[in-house]
Amino acid sequence: TQLLEQSPQFLSIQEGENLTVYCNSSSVFSSLQWYRQEPGEGPVLLVTVVTGGEVKKLKRLTFQFGDARKDSSLHITAAQPGDTGLYLCAVTSGTYKYIFGTGTRLKVLA
Amino acid sequence: GAGVSQSPSNKVTEKGKDVELRCDPISGHTALYWYRQSLGQGLEFLIYFQGNSAPDKSGLPSDRFSAERTGGSVSTLTIQRTQQEDSAVYLCASSLEWNQPQHFGDGTRLSIL
Repeated sequence: TQLLEQSPQFLSIQEGENLTVYCNSSSVFSSLQWYRQEPGEGPVLLVTVVTGGEVKKLKRLTFQFGDARKDSSLHITAAQPGDTGLYLCAVTSGTYKYIFGTGTRLKVLA
Repeated sequence: GAGVSQSPSNKVTEKGKDVELRCDPISGHTALYWYRQSLGQGLEFLIYFQGNSAPDKSGLPSDRFSAERTGGSVSTLTIQRTQQEDSAVYLCASSLEWNQPQHFGDGTRLSIL
């Protein structure tokens, strides 16, 4: 069974700090998605990465897909309280299934 | 609204009762997904519908769980003889097609007493 491990599990930082969260697996994926989920709501898609080594930027968020397409990272520059939430990575698995990572719960303190 | 709608938003029921959860996807989305999220955890994939068909039902946790979709639109997830371990948030998502960006509803929070 494929497993997506995310680290760290929890992260509490001050506003203005930078941070990186990771999504790792031993399997190769054709693409990988990152979502953010706020309490009481469903996840919202942030980005999809497809090509090994690909880097995508979304304002202060930078996403990278590993060269071997087994891992990905999300870097946030100058974190703000609005970045607080549960960050999830996700991939398709086999035929018509999705696997979500274990999640990184981020809290940005004002 | 134009988003994915789930009902009820909260459901409290006694152990052993049956429950039915409803999902109204975005109009025109042929793909529909159900997930389960236990407190503070990641999402557990349950089932995917392409139109009214589910190609693979092996993600359903047990034979107490069933799902259907009619008219290529509304879907229901039914849990029979509920157990306390069924307590979770059940999330529904839809997308234009398989592996396209998913749009999630806000979920149904199910509590089994």
